[in-house]
Amino acid sequence: RKEVEQDPGPFNVPEGATVAFNCTYSNSASQSFFWYRQDCRKEPKLLMSVYSSGNEDGRFTAQLNRASQYISLLIRDSKLSDSATYLCVVNRVTGGGNKLTFGTGTQLKVEL
Amino acid sequence: SQTIHQWPATLVQPVGSPLSLECTVEGTSNPNLYWYRQAAGRGLQLLFYSVGIGQISSEVPQNLSASRPQDRQFILSSKKLLLSDSGFYLCAWSLTGTGGTEAFFGQGTRLTVV
Repeated sequence: RKEVEQDPGPFNVPEGATVAFNCTYSNSASQSFFWYRQDCRKEPKLLMSVYSSGNEDGRFTAQLNRASQYISLLIRDSKLSDSATYLCVVNRVTGGGNKLTFGTGTQLKVEL
Repeated sequence: SQTIHQWPATLVQPVGSPLSLECTVEGTSNPNLYWYRQAAGRGLQLLFYSVGIGQISSEVPQNLSASRPQDRQFILSSKKLLLSDSGFYLCAWSLTGTGGTEAFFGQGTRLTVV
């Protein structure tokens, strides 16, 4: 089983739609969680961290369920500029230091 | 502020040739450093990570090696490239600590082995 799993999509949604992405992780010792955004042929960039209490940043809401080992990202009022690949990231401290593992990403296409 | 430099941006190399990609970080000390590879249309695969000078953890057996000769320098190498080594190579850094820190990426090197 992969350490981090995401639905690859693509999700094709109309502008203004609400879309949700899910991610599961296999190692219960994982300590911190993030969502990254990657535009085509570019490096990933941090979108937001994910906290157990849930957190919101404008149109974006992230949730963490440690019991189910599940992370979600909700995007409201989708914009054309939201089209990108969204990567779920799990961080775990090992003997070798912080190990950041990325999911394969979920592709979002927002259309007119 | 912290910055990460990775070069070159693109590289075309023949099969069997050596490889050396360099990454440096400025504005922080003792960072965790990472090398990832992304094949076309695929996710990021963690190749190596390092918590300090000379300390390298390898994630998957492969045709590549990594070294950290200085605190803020991370090098990815190969003695003989394979066609399957083609991909988008990304260096990243994060703060050390208890795992609550995100990673920051360089702009990546797009390697094509021909």
